Amino acid sequence: EVQLVESGGGLGQPGGSLRLSCAASGFTFRSSVMSWVRQAPGKGLEWVSAISGSGGGTYYADFLKGRFTISRDNSKNALYLEMSSLRVEDTAMYYCALTTSGWYFGHWGQGILVTVSS
Amino acid sequence: SFELTQPPSVSVSPGQTARITCSADALPKQFAYWYQQKPGQAPILVIYRDTERPSGIPERFSGSTSGTTVTLTIAGVQAEDEADYYCQSADSSGTYWVFGGGTKLTVL
Repeated sequence: EVQLVESGGGLGQPGGSLRLSCAASGFTFRSSVMSWVRQAPGKGLEWVSAISGSGGGTYYADFLKGRFTISRDNSKNALYLEMSSLRVEDTAMYYCALTTSGWYFGHWGQGILVTVSS
Repeated sequence: SFELTQPPSVSVSPGQTARITCSADALPKQFAYWYQQKPGQAPILVIYRDTERPSGIPERFSGSTSGTTVTLTIAGVQAEDEADYYCQSADSSGTYWVFGGGTKLTVL
C-alpha cells in the first residue's frame, strides 16, 4: 500500500525558511517522479514542484521564481521541499504526491499546513 | 504554460447526471485527469488518461473528450458525490503540471 507522510510544516516568518519532508513507502521510490502540490485556504489545487526518480531533473511552477528547492534522498525514501524567502501568500496545505508515469498524481499524502505570518 | 478552465459550480438533484467540463486554451491537448476532494481530505484520482477509471472508483464516474474540452460525467449522482472536482493535465514534455480552478458539485 502506498503511503506518503508529510512533516515539517508550521509557522514561518515572512522572508524566512521552512523545510518540508515526505516519507514514502509501499512503492519503488527511486524509480518514481514525485511532486509537491499546494492548496491555499479556500482555494484550488496548485502544482508547485516535481523531481525525477534519480533527482537529476527538477521542475518548478513559474510563480516560485527560484524561492523553493525540491530534493530527494532515495536511500531514505524521502522527498523534501526547502522553502525560502517565504511570503504570506505561501500559506497553504502542502501535499506530497506520487506522480504516476510522470503525468498525474496517483497517490497523495494527508498534507501538511504551512502558515506564513509575522 | 497553459490554462484549464472549469465552471465554478454545478448543481444536480440526487439520481440525475452531473457533467463537469474542463477546457484547455492551447493545442495539442495532453491527457486529462480528474480528482475528487471532499472537505478536509486529500484529493483522490477518479479518472486518468481522459477516460480510464482507477480501481475502486464507482462505475458512475466516467470521462470523455472532444477537441480541447474534457468532461467528467457522474451518472446517478449520490449525496456522497458532493465535493470539489479538479481537472489536471501536463505539458507535452511532462515537466509542467496544471490544475483547473475546480468545480464545486452540489447535490440538491
